Amino acid sequence: EVQLVESGGGLAQPGGSLRLSCAASTFSFSSYWMSWVRQAPGKGLEWVALIKEDGSEKYYVDSVKGRFTISRDNARNSLDLQMNSLRAEDTAMYYCARVGDTNSVDCWGQGTLVTVSS
Amino acid sequence: DIVMTQSPLSLPVTLGQPASISCRSSQSLVHSNGNTYLNWFQQRPGQSPRRLIYKVSNRDSGVPDRFSGSGSGTDFTLKISRLEAEDVGVYYCMQGLHWPWTFGQGTKVEIK
Repeated sequence: EVQLVESGGGLAQPGGSLRLSCAASTFSFSSYWMSWVRQAPGKGLEWVALIKEDGSEKYYVDSVKGRFTISRDNARNSLDLQMNSLRAEDTAMYYCARVGDTNSVDCWGQGTLVTVSS
Repeated sequence: DIVMTQSPLSLPVTLGQPASISCRSSQSLVHSNGNTYLNWFQQRPGQSPRRLIYKVSNRDSGVPDRFSGSGSGTDFTLKISRLEAEDVGVYYCMQGLHWPWTFGQGTKVEIK
């Protein structure tokens, strides 16, 4: 069974930074695009960032461009999200998600909660 | 950005009865390769989302056949033929044609 396990969430101050990580197992990590999707408390789902299999292409939603950086280490089967200049509106559950060849998420992690507050 | 609009946003349904959720996109979701990148997700209370349907009408492995997807172009529908208690949750449509991929607002399905 595909496993995606996120870590790194927690409380951060406005303007601060956090680094999220996702450990992938039981599938060929380097063969898949990967992404981060977030969900603010009581709200809907929002794509955050997307990265190609080899890391050569990265896409971000406008609201995080210039502040967040998605990266991956295929040797370690891991996906990261570096979040800088955090804002209150970045408060959300962040899900690591595998992207299948149908331009869609076919597997989700359990999520890690990020809270931005002073 | 492509805007995805779902209706209704709340759907009370009697157990054993059918349910239908509509999703409309602000532009056609048909790719030049002929595929239509419209997906449906279910999120049960307290759980991560789970994909039910991809490319309009293809059910994911393990998804009960009471779930079906249909539609074309800009208008899509998710149907549950007979609601079961485990179907309670929020349902989202999502387009994967143009980045940023976008979700609908979600439709909350509950037992009447």
